Amino acid sequence: NAGVTQTPKFQVLKTGQSMTLQCAQDMNHNSMYWYRQDPGMGLRLIYYSASEGTTDKGEVPNGYNVSRLNKREFSLRLESAAPSQTSVYFCASSERRASTDTQYFGPGTRLTVL
Amino acid sequence: KQEVTQIPAALSVPEGENLVLNCSFTDSAIYNLQWFRQDPGKGLTSLLLIQSSQREQTSGRLNASLDKSSGRSTLYIAASQPGDSATYLCAVNRAGTALIFGKGTTLSVSS
Repeated sequence: NAGVTQTPKFQVLKTGQSMTLQCAQDMNHNSMYWYRQDPGMGLRLIYYSASEGTTDKGEVPNGYNVSRLNKREFSLRLESAAPSQTSVYFCASSERRASTDTQYFGPGTRLTVL
Repeated sequence: KQEVTQIPAALSVPEGENLVLNCSFTDSAIYNLQWFRQDPGKGLTSLLLIQSSQREQTSGRLNASLDKSSGRSTLYIAASQPGDSATYLCAVNRAGTALIFGKGTTLSVSS
């Protein structure tokens, strides 16, 4: 059982380049999330998807787009990368049931924008 | 707007000591509170989840308590070990929504 997987693990981009971060979960979870983690700022929500076919903005959505491709996959796209987007990106998923809502996290993608 | 605060930001203890990590949140209308562990350069591992109707949860040497009315949670680690060295994150959410995180407490346990 792989849980939540993310690709790539590391990436270096130049300002203005684009890329897509991939996330997949094999736990049949309904909800998926993208967070970024920055020193001194903690983890902040970028976008989330409560269920297949829906997406909503989080706290810091500017400069990002997302696609919930199917129930398993949730991708994050940077159309024109900026140095301010240098961060560690985490994908998470949860069952979104009334009784428990434990979120499970992937290992992260470490992105540097030069 | 919900805010989560963790005190202290860093803590160093000798092996074997019992310790308490603190978490406070400003809006008591939470559904769950979750404690995570993060090792350097790694992802987050869920340690304990406390539902709003619960007062505490235990897993091995870890015990987490929740006082929703006062907006506080504590994570108690008994008989600390060097392998417990990591950053511990507290997070809260409403039902089916994303987590709001504190900035974490970095724990160092020396042998």
